[in-house]
Amino acid sequence: DAGVIQSPRHEVTEMGQEVTLRCKPISGHNSLFWYRQTMMRGLELLIYFNNNVPIDDSGMPEDRFSAKMPNASFSTLKIQPSEPRDSAVYFCASMPPGTGYSPLHFGNGTRLTVT
Amino acid sequence: AQSVSQHNHHVILSEAASLELGCNYSYGGTVNLFWYVQYPGQHLQLLLKYFSGDPLVKGIKGFEAEFIKSKFSFNLRKPSVQWSDTAEYFCAVNSGGSNYKLTFGKGTLLTVNP
Repeated sequence: DAGVIQSPRHEVTEMGQEVTLRCKPISGHNSLFWYRQTMMRGLELLIYFNNNVPIDDSGMPEDRFSAKMPNASFSTLKIQPSEPRDSAVYFCASMPPGTGYSPLHFGNGTRLTVT
Repeated sequence: AQSVSQHNHHVILSEAASLELGCNYSYGGTVNLFWYVQYPGQHLQLLLKYFSGDPLVKGIKGFEAEFIKSKFSFNLRKPSVQWSDTAEYFCAVNSGGSNYKLTFGKGTLLTVNP
């Protein structure tokens, strides 16, 4: 079990540039979550997918953020255009089939810095 | 909407001291409760969880937590901390059933001095 794999680990970009974060969930997990972690706001749920379908995107900050899950083994979170306030650690997590009793399995995160 | 409050932002202890980290949630129905730990530079890992049964749950590394429904609390405890317990601790809740949406508290940073 390789765990949840995120790439890149670190991303530094200039304001206005497009940023794409990638996530490979654990094989067999059918729920995928994107979280953002900042000092000020803690861990915020941005969006989650179940069976590749977005179920709740109410946490997505604004139209600059978009997320896709084209298949069960891959998801992207895109920010276009990026702004300095988007600087944060972005975590992807997956969950096996079942109910809300199941714990999340987190990736190592992508630390995004927008200058 | 559910929310989670962790009262202590930063706790500093010496090794062998006892630990209790507070967590309160706001949600009137059935809940599942979790504590996650994030060691420096690492991802979040599950420490323990409660969804039914004995309100005192035991997790890894000697941690335990008690669910007190009347107080909407799920405090984390450890009788004797070690330097290696230095980490950030997050309480989280979801409303169970088919609700996968997990709401996290803002976390408590624990520093254990040797």
